[in-house]
Amino acid sequence: DVKVTQSSRYLVKRTGEKVFLECVQDMDHENMFWYRQDPGLGLRLIYFSYDVKMKEKGDIPEGYSVSREKKERFSLILESASTNQTSMYLCASSLRLAGGQETQYFGPGTRLLVL
Amino acid sequence: RKEVEQDPGPFNVPEGATVAFNCTYSNSASQSFFWYRQDCRKEPKLLMSVYSSGNEDGRFTAQLNRASQYISLLIRDSKLSDSATYLCVVNVISNFNKFYFGSGTKLNVKP
Repeated sequence: DVKVTQSSRYLVKRTGEKVFLECVQDMDHENMFWYRQDPGLGLRLIYFSYDVKMKEKGDIPEGYSVSREKKERFSLILESASTNQTSMYLCASSLRLAGGQETQYFGPGTRLLVL
Repeated sequence: RKEVEQDPGPFNVPEGATVAFNCTYSNSASQSFFWYRQDCRKEPKLLMSVYSSGNEDGRFTAQLNRASQYISLLIRDSKLSDSATYLCVVNVISNFNKFYFGSGTKLNVKP
């Protein structure tokens, strides 16, 4: 079974704090993703990475950065947390198969509240 | 325009009912399609992939209509445990293989 874990289930931070969210997958997947999920907006892609030290901006990268120093670990960083970054953060990983098919597997999510 | 659109529901159905959800997508280059299930305050989990010829997994049937750019999910003999939000997902296979998620359709199965 694919296992994707996230460092925290719940976090409460203050405006201006630096926040680290960590994600680890144990299936040697190449691709890793960070999404946020907000009511009525669905999942929105923040950043993704298709290899170690590689990163690509998603649809809403502003206010976030990422780090992928090891294949199994993908970190999301909020340099200076703001209240509009209160959300559910979901990490996912995937492996592209020979035919191009790819399926994402999600971690349990981190509920972040910024006060 | 959103890449993937779904009726948010909720769909309230009695146990044993048959219920169907549709989802439309805007990018004709989309090549892979999925339904995910998400329980309240949990992560999305893959329910099934959707193949061009349509596919079935027990009580669940998924269909794809490329010409009209929609996919559907049919649930037969609904169980209380089917209550969840169902997310439609499309994948545009390019260099970076991006996934686009619908906002989800909420299903409540009542006794």
